Amino acid sequence: GAVVSQHPSRVICKSGTSVKIECRSLDFQATTMFWYRQFPKQSLMLMATSNEGSKATYEQGVEKDKFLINHASLTLSTLTVTSAHPEDSSFYICSARVGGGTNTGELFFGEGSRLTVL
Amino acid sequence: SQKIEQNSEALNIQEGKTATLTCNYTNYSPAYLQWYRQDPGRGPVFLLLIRENEKEKRKERLKVTFDTTLKQSLFHITASQPADSATYLCALDADDYKLSFGAGTTVTVRA
Repeated sequence: GAVVSQHPSRVICKSGTSVKIECRSLDFQATTMFWYRQFPKQSLMLMATSNEGSKATYEQGVEKDKFLINHASLTLSTLTVTSAHPEDSSFYICSARVGGGTNTGELFFGEGSRLTVL
Repeated sequence: SQKIEQNSEALNIQEGKTATLTCNYTNYSPAYLQWYRQDPGRGPVFLLLIRENEKEKRKERLKVTFDTTLKQSLFHITASQPADSATYLCALDADDYKLSFGAGTTVTVRA
């Protein structure tokens, strides 16, 4: 299957700082990537849809100025958590589909990034 | 409001038995439904996809059913093994190409 790589896998930062998470599709081009957040024992919540070469589409209730998404190439999307606070501590996971975002079918997920804000 | 409910949160079974997981949904009209496996601290891994016009799908020891009248999918792991211990998530298309996920059922298979 297709491979999606995410980095870093774990990050600890101080409150008020910004953290960048990278998501790469290693063996396919992804015009669309999806960013999810997962709290313990809860479902994955879609935060935003990252579109290559254009602005991301954010889900209701997700602050676009706090969670900056950049999709500058067909294989890389980044999520920057700006001015992080302890309540932003969570597991962030990116995903993509082979064949583009509007293609139905399975999602390939990255390994996830565990963010802890002190 | 839209809901995806997986019953139950945890399932403990003896090795060799069949695990049956349930996924019920409300206020969705999915064209397909998917099941994923998630290990602790890892991203989900795709297992099976079943379309609305399919009643049943199989892959090795896994079987999925999809009843659009009952708005329910059942996920079976036959001849379960300790290596099957994980959290299993159901997901369905909520809006165009986006997927919405249930909270998952954690399966523990005892040797």
